[in-house]
Amino acid sequence: DQQVKQNSPSLSVQEGRISILNCDYTNSMFDYFLWYKKYPAEGPTFLISISSIKDKNEDGRFTVFLNKSAKHLSLHIVPSQPGDSAVYFCAAMTSGTYKYIFGTGTRLKVLA
Amino acid sequence: IAGITQAPTSQILAAGRRMTLRCTQDMRHNAMYWYRQDLGLGLRLIHYSNTAGTTGKGEVPDGYSVSRANTDDFPLTLASAVPSQTSVYFCASSYSGAKGNEQFFGPGTRLTVL
Repeated sequence: DQQVKQNSPSLSVQEGRISILNCDYTNSMFDYFLWYKKYPAEGPTFLISISSIKDKNEDGRFTVFLNKSAKHLSLHIVPSQPGDSAVYFCAAMTSGTYKYIFGTGTRLKVLA
Repeated sequence: IAGITQAPTSQILAAGRRMTLRCTQDMRHNAMYWYRQDLGLGLRLIHYSNTAGTTGKGEVPDGYSVSRANTDDFPLTLASAVPSQTSVYFCASSYSGAKGNEQFFGPGTRLTVL
């Protein structure tokens, strides 16, 4: 049973436009959510996170939105750059459990 | 070294053999984790440790064991490897795993079990 789902395996976006990556979860006990970026042959790197007490967190070109009632979060990248081409994973966890649950990833391709 | 390192980078292993994947971090992080990444399944947590001397089971712990004798090292052992354990293995650490702290990942070990 997949508790964290990324239903779009891939996404292509033109350079300079907005990229929107989506993530859905089923466990209402999750209270922290994170996004990671992964290049081929490298480990994932942390991008941005949000706690359940917020509905938005912004860091430069990256913004994460959380809709708790819909159990949905999204990552917005504006403007998208070719260097953003990578696989993006969302992850969720319940504080105190140490168990981060990852989605299956979305491959983003930014076209120059 | 800086960050988190894993060894070996890749390994081909005969089924039934024992294998230990090594992981070392120099950030003095309390929490460490092992994940496997498989196509279409994302990253799945195998085992974790919230502090030296304690370990816990993740989503897919069967066939794997871990130990945490000190803060820096968190080896993952496959006692008797099977082909379904062919995967890319990532070790990670975080200052604390209690409140959604960001995790720092190693470069991964690509393991093939024949």
